[in-house]
Amino acid sequence: SQQGEEDPQALSIQEGENATMNCSYKTSINNLQWYRQNSGRGLVHLILIRSNEREKHSGRLRVTLDTSKKSSSLLITASRAADTASYFCATGTGFQKLVFGTGTRLLVSP
Amino acid sequence: DVKVTQSSRYLVKRTGEKVFLECVQDMDHENMFWYRQDPGLGLRLIYFSYDVKMKEKGDIPEGYSVSREKKERFSLILESASTNQTSMYLCASSTLHTGDRKNYNINQPQHFGDGTRLSIL
Repeated sequence: SQQGEEDPQALSIQEGENATMNCSYKTSINNLQWYRQNSGRGLVHLILIRSNEREKHSGRLRVTLDTSKKSSSLLITASRAADTASYFCATGTGFQKLVFGTGTRLLVSP
Repeated sequence: DVKVTQSSRYLVKRTGEKVFLECVQDMDHENMFWYRQDPGLGLRLIYFSYDVKMKEKGDIPEGYSVSREKKERFSLILESASTNQTSMYLCASSTLHTGDRKNYNINQPQHFGDGTRLSIL
């Protein structure tokens, strides 16, 4: 069952611009995580935000969480061509499982 | 560095064959997962395991089985492969621990292998 839905499905920007991706979910969560997937590779964990947190930073990444709206956003600042990848949100609702969304494909052009 | 290794990057099998996909992790993680990834559908959980010999069905277990005889190894088995099982299969692992304690209610980050692209002809 899909819990997270990312928006937009695809995003195309120029190097140096900021990229914002959104995730909406349906049920209560204990945390929300963002992952990145390069073409043909596995997913790599980027950042985890707990349900009692509102914002978290890691390098050029900024994640916000609004539990009242059941939504999260991932902001990548000063994008680089190497940021080209698919980005997935995943919600944790307990007992170890994560439920992944369908992803946002980000293309950063030089 | 943490590592999840899947035995094959690409695999081609025939309809009706029994197919084994192997996954090994070197992080002493309790949890291991098998997903399939299809365009437009994202990642869907097939099975997961939180301990040796323990398994739980995910969202799409039909046509699959799993085996976890050792902590580091989690195998996915397609009992009789069909063309609709052509997909990218991803294995992942995660710890149960928060600090020194096991915590069954916190979803820790998952570490993924590079996937096996399986084609059933």
